[in-house]
Amino acid sequence: AQSVTQLDSQVPVFEEAPVELRCNYSSSVSVYLFWYVQYPNQGLQLLLKYLSGSTLVKGINGFEAEFNKSQTSFHLRKPSVHISDTAEYFCAVSDPSGSGGSYIPTFGRGTSLIVHP
Amino acid sequence: NAGVTQTPKFQVLKTGQSMTLQCAQDMNHEYMSWYRQDPGMGLRLIHYSVGAGITDQGEVPNGYNVSRSTTEDFPLRLLSAAPSQTSVYFCASRGGHSTWNTIYFGEGSWLTVV
Repeated sequence: AQSVTQLDSQVPVFEEAPVELRCNYSSSVSVYLFWYVQYPNQGLQLLLKYLSGSTLVKGINGFEAEFNKSQTSFHLRKPSVHISDTAEYFCAVSDPSGSGGSYIPTFGRGTSLIVHP
Repeated sequence: NAGVTQTPKFQVLKTGQSMTLQCAQDMNHEYMSWYRQDPGMGLRLIHYSVGAGITDQGEVPNGYNVSRSTTEDFPLRLLSAAPSQTSVYFCASRGGHSTWNTIYFGEGSWLTVV
């Protein structure tokens, strides 16, 4: 079974500064990787995903993530954050060979991004 | 296009009471699931369904029942609520084939058990 580790529970940053949210996964097989964002009192929205191909994935709102197979990482980055990026961010991994093909994702514990003015 | 709709949004229960959280989706998705979200724990899968009439347990199924009589609906039942079930509950769905990799979440149901 796969697991996901988000190394930082909280990341404070000033507006317009760059940010990186770290995500590591454990799996011996090929996986699909996702980042979701949760704004206060809302459900989760898909930010970006890696299925195959280019290891640099671009998502919505200027976010991007890089898949590193050797380090089993999928870190999320944004070169310049805005106050409106304040939210909870979840990394998720899905094993396409498991669970009878249901592709059930396993979520990390989340990283709270706090953008200060 | 409503997407995934959960009701109620907020609920307070007394220990031992029963209730049902409703979830409906209008996207004809085969896969539906229920998660609970607790501080510092992320999302944990309670139950899931890969189609009408088919359900299975997730990571934390104890204390919860589900059924899937139609493609659209996937209710979550708490038969005898306990304070440990105080949480935020999310219903999610996704389609098959070309849309399998995008999960749609409802807006959540905040449940407090006193």
